[in-house]
Amino acid sequence: EDKVVQSPLSLVVHEGDTVTLNCSYEVTNFRSLLWYKQEKKAPTFLFMLTSSGIEKKSGRLSSILDKKELFSILNITATQTGDSAVYLCAVNRDYKYIFGTGTRLKVLA
Amino acid sequence: EPEVTQTPSHQVTQMGQEVILRCVPISNHLYFYWYRQILGQKVEFLVSFYNNEISEKSEIFDDQFSVERPDGSNFTLKIRSTKLEDSAMYFCARTTTTFTNYGYTFGSGTRLTVV
Repeated sequence: EDKVVQSPLSLVVHEGDTVTLNCSYEVTNFRSLLWYKQEKKAPTFLFMLTSSGIEKKSGRLSSILDKKELFSILNITATQTGDSAVYLCAVNRDYKYIFGTGTRLKVLA
Repeated sequence: EPEVTQTPSHQVTQMGQEVILRCVPISNHLYFYWYRQILGQKVEFLVSFYNNEISEKSEIFDDQFSVERPDGSNFTLKIRSTKLEDSAMYFCARTTTTFTNYGYTFGSGTRLTVV
């Protein structure tokens, strides 16, 4: 059975801290892994990863995929209160997404 | 990428009633999806729709559910006889091709509350 597991389930940090969110997966017909940020409603796209070892960066966020060990990490440096959200990992399998349960991040001022 | 509009944003319905959730994508969108998220739980795949046909559906998508694109633009999800456990956020998603560098674009969501 396909599964996507995220850890930790929740995390509380202070502004300025660096956080690392984890996503491991066991999915057949893997196509890509995506990270989304979900605040109030719809998930918003962060990154799409298809190749191992190539870091994607966007400002203070970065992500990398390891297709041999079947995991990805999302790093957020110098966290801000606006980073508080649920971060979702999803694996694209045959063009449908299998989502993890998410990591709830709370950044305290 | 352009927004995907969903209507209504919130619907409250009595158990046993039919509801229709609507998604208004841009006309050149080819691939459509419905996902749902029960409060506090993970986002779950319901169904994918391509070329006016269902291409894949999950075990959640039973006979109570149906999808169609009746007028070539709106993409609808119908739940025939709602149950309490259908209460969730329902997200429409779309892509213009099977492979995109940006993943899906999700709609703003419809919160369905069944009472």
